[in-house]
Amino acid sequence: KAGVTQTPRYLIKTRGQQVTLSCSPISGHRSVSWYQQTPGQGLQFLFEYFSETQRNKGNFPGRFSGRQFSNSRSEMNVSTLELGDSALYLCASSLSQGMNTGELFFGEGSRLTVL
Amino acid sequence: AQSVSQHNHHVILSEAASLELGCNYSYGGTVNLFWYVQYPGQHLQLLLKYFSGDPLVKGIKGFEAEFIKSKFSFNLRKPSVQWSDTAEYFCAVNARGNTPLVFGKGTRLSVIA
Repeated sequence: KAGVTQTPRYLIKTRGQQVTLSCSPISGHRSVSWYQQTPGQGLQFLFEYFSETQRNKGNFPGRFSGRQFSNSRSEMNVSTLELGDSALYLCASSLSQGMNTGELFFGEGSRLTVL
Repeated sequence: AQSVSQHNHHVILSEAASLELGCNYSYGGTVNLFWYVQYPGQHLQLLLKYFSGDPLVKGIKGFEAEFIKSKFSFNLRKPSVQWSDTAEYFCAVNARGNTPLVFGKGTRLSVIA
């Protein structure tokens, strides 16, 4: 069974640009969550999608947005990039609406560097 | 809002030493508790979880954790660490119901020969 796939794995952007990250969950998983991982802050929750609906949202500015498609694949977008957005962005999938089970299956992440 | 504290930022142990990593959370209601591990160059994976029942839970690779409700703690233990246990360990909590999984900032474990 293929795991959670995130693309691209690495990317470099400059301040002010925007970026779109993609996540393909494990087959059959309907819930997708996104986290930002940085050395100083650890993992911070961005949002969760289930059946194309955003179910939970973390405390991030409106520049961070996401969506989920009917095949459960998800994308997140960050507009007007700032230096502080440099981080590893992790996607995680789970069978049901993820937070109740707590067992999240993580991808390897997309490492974003903002110059 | 829930929060999770992991007391140790970096722990260095010799092989065969015993391990205990601390984790405390702040939330007064019923919670689900987890430990995740991230080996170098690999993705985060679940080590063990507690939902209810026996407060001592066993996970993969000989790890166990004990839930002490009165102390709001869920410490991770292993009697004898191996070099292959070198990794970053994350404690995570979510309140019952559809709430986000909140992670601690992680503890980096380095096991030396």
